[in-house]
Amino acid sequence: GENVEQHPSTLSVQEGDSAVIKCTYSDSASNYFPWYKQELGKRPQLIIDIRSNVGEKKDQRIAVTLNKTAKHFSLHITETQPEDSAVYFCAASKGKRSYIPTFGRGTSLIVHP
Amino acid sequence: GAGVSQSPRYKVAKRGQDVALRCDPISGHVSLFWYQQALGQGPEFLTYFQNEAQLDKSGLPSDRFFAERPEGSVSTLKIQRTQQEDSAVYLCASSRPRGDTDTQYFGPGTRLTVL
Repeated sequence: GENVEQHPSTLSVQEGDSAVIKCTYSDSASNYFPWYKQELGKRPQLIIDIRSNVGEKKDQRIAVTLNKTAKHFSLHITETQPEDSAVYFCAASKGKRSYIPTFGRGTSLIVHP
Repeated sequence: GAGVSQSPRYKVAKRGQDVALRCDPISGHVSLFWYQQALGQGPEFLTYFQNEAQLDKSGLPSDRFFAERPEGSVSTLKIQRTQQEDSAVYLCASSRPRGDTDTQYFGPGTRLTVL
């Protein structure tokens, strides 16, 4: 089955810096890659997603890039703010072939004011 | 509108007890997923429904775990003879897939502690 590796497990940055979280996946049939943000004690919430027919997608301070050949995708957060502090999870699924996602183990992002 | 809701939010059970966890998905969402999230880990898939049909239960860790969605809306995850290793947050998510895109909306989870 699919295997999703996520790095780093913890990321500490100063407010205003950029943060990058990387994920790799094993199944070349995966074609949908969502990213979720989970604040302490709260539910995961989708922040951005990308499909395999697109190499990059941006939404304000958040962007995701996808390299299908290398089977990796990354989350980029620019101008980080303390409220960005949370655990971020990447996931991969095969879209219509299987909506069941495989999640990474999460990255705890800490933004210091 | 209302999001996904789960009840109870917290459950403490003695080892050996049976528990039932409820999920109310977003109205109209055909897909419903159950996940188990251990502390410091990502959600681990348990089972998946499309309407009332349980299409995949490959993630259920043992035959003590059982899930149902009899009318294609509310779902219940039942754990029989709970063990300490069952302690985790159980997340429910619902979605209405469109093509290859499936945005899942998560509930707040039920934190199960087995003593």
